[in-house]
Amino acid sequence: DGGITQSPKYLFRKEGQNVTLSCEQNLNHDAMYWYRQDPGQGLRLIYYSQIVNDFQKGDIAEGYSVSREKKESFPLTVTSAQKNPTAFYLCASMRGSTDTQYFGPGTRLTVL
Amino acid sequence: SQQGEEDPQALSIQEGENATMNCSYKTSINNLQWYRQNSGRGLVHLILIRSNEREKHSGRLRVTLDTSKKSSSLLITASRAADTASYFCATPPQETSGSRLTFGEGTQLTVNP
Repeated sequence: DGGITQSPKYLFRKEGQNVTLSCEQNLNHDAMYWYRQDPGQGLRLIYYSQIVNDFQKGDIAEGYSVSREKKESFPLTVTSAQKNPTAFYLCASMRGSTDTQYFGPGTRLTVL
Repeated sequence: SQQGEEDPQALSIQEGENATMNCSYKTSINNLQWYRQNSGRGLVHLILIRSNEREKHSGRLRVTLDTSKKSSSLLITASRAADTASYFCATPPQETSGSRLTFGEGTQLTVNP
């Protein structure tokens, strides 16, 4: 099966802890993206990467970090510096310059 | 601020009726896309319309684009309960492709059986 997987589906974090959300794709796409979605809201871009070993900040990068060591993987770390991390996190990928993005099923992060 | 803004924010209709959602954007675009999101799930790409196209069809979906008004509409004909979802428009920046998309706030569509 080709697609994007995100894990875990649900994640609970205590205040002050860093957590890492996994995103893997086997579509051979160059570009990958992380979005945050709050209830009833649209998507806001956190970070994106157009090529291995390179990534750019999106609109709300503060308190988050990413790495892109492999083409198929783009993990997102939510650090303790992110003051309001409870949200639904979506990962996406895109092939070349098609502009069409393919999304994973999402990870719901809750801070206890 | 969001590039795309959908209107209405929420829409409730009966099965069999048509649903129309609108999207307005601010800057020039190469294309405009519509995505669907079922509750608690990822987004699914529905249709892409290029800036030199005025109308596009895909099954029960019809998308129009008016670049002079910087607006697009998504029409779902003969709606079904399974069409209940949030619908988002998204646009890439005109000066580049293969990069980021900007999503609107979405329209929540409820189709009552």
